[in-house]
Amino acid sequence: GIQVEQSPPDLILQEGANSTLRCNFSDSVNNLQWFHQNPWGQLINLFYIPSGTKQNGRLSATTVATERYSLLYISSSQTTDSGVYFCAVARSSNTGKLIFGQGTTLQVKP
Amino acid sequence: EAQVTQNPRYLITVTGKKLTVTCSQNMNHEYMSWYRQDPGLGLRQIYYSMNVEVTDKGDVPEGYKVSRKEKRNFPLILESPSPNQTSLYFCASRPSLDAYGYTFGSGTRLTVV
Repeated sequence: GIQVEQSPPDLILQEGANSTLRCNFSDSVNNLQWFHQNPWGQLINLFYIPSGTKQNGRLSATTVATERYSLLYISSSQTTDSGVYFCAVARSSNTGKLIFGQGTTLQVKP
Repeated sequence: EAQVTQNPRYLITVTGKKLTVTCSQNMNHEYMSWYRQDPGLGLRQIYYSMNVEVTDKGDVPEGYKVSRKEKRNFPLILESPSPNQTSLYFCASRPSLDAYGYTFGSGTRLTVV
C-alpha cells in the first residue's frame, strides 16, 4: 500500500519562528490533506491540497504531485500552533481510505 | 455551520456493556467513515459508507457494527466492548468517494474497563 512519511518527527520552536514540515508519499494520490491535532485531540482540517499552493493566514501549503511531496509552512509561530500535524492521502479507490503519516509533533515555546 | 458532530466526547464503560457512538453531518455528504487512533498505530479505518444502506469494512472492523439508514447519520456500535477497544474514535465525511477533502468530527475518547 501507499506509504506516507513525515519529517521531522519532532520540532521545538520559539514563538515567532518559522518552520517547514514535509510529507513524502510513495504513489500518486487524488487527495492530500494537512490536519492539526490539538492538545484536546481534535483533528482540525488545515488544507485540502492534492496539488498546487494554498495559503490561509500564517499557514501555507504546497503539493508537488509529480514529485510526490507536500510542504506545510508555518510562519510567525504561536503557542497555539503546538500539537501534532498530520499529512493524510488517499488514492482513487473503492474504499476512500485516508492513509495518515505518523505526524510531526510541534512545540512552540513562549 | 458545516460540521460533523460526534457524541459523546468522552465515555468510560465496562466490558460487555453495549454502546453506540453517534455521528451526524449536516453537509449532505454521501461518504462517511469511522477511524480509531491508537499510540504507535496511528489512525486506522474501521468502517465506511458510500451512501445510504451501503456500508463496508475497513482495516479493523472486528468488534464493531455500523448502520446508514439516513444520509446524515452513521452510528458506530460496540455490541460487547472489550478493553482493547479503548481508543480515540473519529467520524469523518466527504461529499462523495473521490471529491474534495474530509471533515472530521471532534473525536470520542472511549475507555473500556
